[in-house]
Amino acid sequence: EDQVTQSPEALRLQEGESSSLNCSYTVSGLRGLFWYRQDPGKGPEFLFTLYSAGEEKEKERLKATLTKKESFLHITAPKPEDSATYLCAVQPSGGSYIPTFGRGTSLIVHP
Amino acid sequence: DSGVTQTPKHLITATGQRVTLRCSPRSGDLSVYWYQQSLDQGLQFLIQYYNGEERAKGNILERFSAQQFPDLHSELNLSSLELGDSALYFCASSAGGQETQYFGPGTRLLVL
Repeated sequence: EDQVTQSPEALRLQEGESSSLNCSYTVSGLRGLFWYRQDPGKGPEFLFTLYSAGEEKEKERLKATLTKKESFLHITAPKPEDSATYLCAVQPSGGSYIPTFGRGTSLIVHP
Repeated sequence: DSGVTQTPKHLITATGQRVTLRCSPRSGDLSVYWYQQSLDQGLQFLIQYYNGEERAKGNILERFSAQQFPDLHSELNLSSLELGDSALYFCASSAGGQETQYFGPGTRLLVL
């Protein structure tokens, strides 16, 4: 069974204080790893897809990286508007291709 | 805006009732997925349809059913509702069956 564990569960940062969110996973074969941002009461918003170990993708203050066992979402000099829950999901390379989602990391950035 | 639309945004109903949630996928997407999100369970996959056919099933209760119509919109039917069915219900769509999923804004269901 595919498993995704995200840590920490919650993270409080000061504006400008860089940090990283972790997503550890086990999957029989990885087709892709997804990062989403979710604001309270809203639908998850797609951020990145990573396909192979060593791959990196960036968008504004966010950078996602991937190894064979985990992914990191690095947040550089965060702003209050980056406050949200960040979800990680792994998609298996066979079967139904349905992603398994982690419980998310709730990020609060204080001004 | 992901391009996925869901109606209604909010739904309040009583135990034992039946409701229908509607989803329109992004233009061109053939796959529709339904998810349930509650505070204690996280995002749980319910069911997937691809071009009108059921493709994959997750932890969907027998009281719940779904279908995808020829115009590719989908409906999730929830019947004999219980208090524990109160949650956010999301629809997502993708081009085929393996690509990135894009989520709609969700329907918040409250069962009293």
